[in-house]
Formats: sequence, structure tokens, C-alpha cells
Amino acid sequence: DGGITQSPKYLFRKEGQNVTLSCEQNLNHDAMYWYRQDPGQGLRLIYYSQIVNDFQKGDIAEGYSVSREKKESFPLTVTSAQKNPTAFYLCASTSGPGELFFGEGSRLTVL
Amino acid sequence: AQSVSQHNHHVILSEAASLELGCNYSYGGTVNLFWYVQYPGQHLQLLLKYFSGDPLVKGIKGFEAEFIKSKFSFNLRKPSVQWSDTAEYFCAVNAPPGGYQKVTFGTGTKLQVIP
Repeated sequence: DGGITQSPKYLFRKEGQNVTLSCEQNLNHDAMYWYRQDPGQGLRLIYYSQIVNDFQKGDIAEGYSVSREKKESFPLTVTSAQKNPTAFYLCASTSGPGELFFGEGSRLTVL
Repeated sequence: AQSVSQHNHHVILSEAASLELGCNYSYGGTVNLFWYVQYPGQHLQLLLKYFSGDPLVKGIKGFEAEFIKSKFSFNLRKPSVQWSDTAEYFCAVNAPPGGYQKVTFGTGTKLQVIP
């Protein structure tokens, strides 16, 4: 089945550690996205990529980094510079303007 | 920059009641508008979308939304809700200031339908 796979589903991290969240899609979509979801704040855009080897900062990119070396993959690294990393992270992709397909999400908890 | 406001954060309705969730956006030019839904334990999915044409848009599960350009609004409606409509609903927009690939979401409205 086509879709978006995020891993891990749950992740615990100690303060000061970097952590990488995986996002893979087999939908042949060009554009991929990372959002952060916090209660009462909706979804906030971290980074997005319209094409391989290119990506743009979203509204809350500080403390995060991404790469887009393959069309299918768009990993997100949460660095130690991110002041409040505990959150639910959602990856999405699209073949057209705005019609996003989402993964099941990764919940990161910083201990 | 484009932005989206959802003023109702938590709505509680009885089954068969009518629903209207508000959504306002900030950009004055051409926009694409969306409503997404997140059922408990499931991932976000598209409910309906507006790109152009008829401002009354019909989506899945009996939902509809009306685009009113003069009010910068795209409110979601359903004449009679069911318990299975319990979910969180997100309005979203993309528009030229951010590029048509940048999708901005509102803060969401949690709908609880009481049997």
C-alpha cells in the first residue's frame, strides 16, 4: 500500500542529545513537509521540501535540520538547540498544492 | 505572511445538532483553502478543499464549507452531526506569500459529539 511511514513512533531523549526522525513515502510525491503539533497550537510548519536537494524553512525552523537526498526520504533532526523539543511530529507529502497526506506521527519526549 | 484563525477551540454538541466551525484567513488575494480532520487515534486526512469556482464545497461524510471572500472566511458546516464526527478539525491555507507549497494550519477545533 502507498503511504507515509514515520519512525520511531515513540522516542525518548535526554537533554543535550540530537535525535533524528525518519519519514519515508512511496507515493512518488515531490513535496514533503515536517510539522510539529502541540495541544492548542495546531500544526506548525518546521521545514518543507519541494524537490530533491532543496528545502525551505517553515515558521519554526530554529533548532531543527533536514535533508532531502532522495525523493522518498525527508529525515528531521531535532538538535540540542531546540529549547522545547517534546512534541508530536508529523510528516506529510503532496503531489499538488495543499492536499497533504500525513504519516502517523512520532512522539518525542525529552527527559 | 499567511495565517489562519479558528476561534472555536472546543465545541460540544448533541447528536443531530447542526455544526458550524469558523475559519478566517489573512491573505487578500487568491488562496487555496482546506479542512482536515483528525479522528482519535488516526492520522490527519483531507475533509474538503477549495481552489476556485463554486464557493460552496462539499466534502466527505456530509460536510460542506462555504468560501466567503469578502469575509476572508471558510466555515465548515454539517446539518446533523453524529457521534462518529468526534474529532479535531483543522482549517488550512496556502497562498502566494508563502508559495503554493507552503501550507499553514489553524490551531484546530476539538469537536465532541454526545450521544
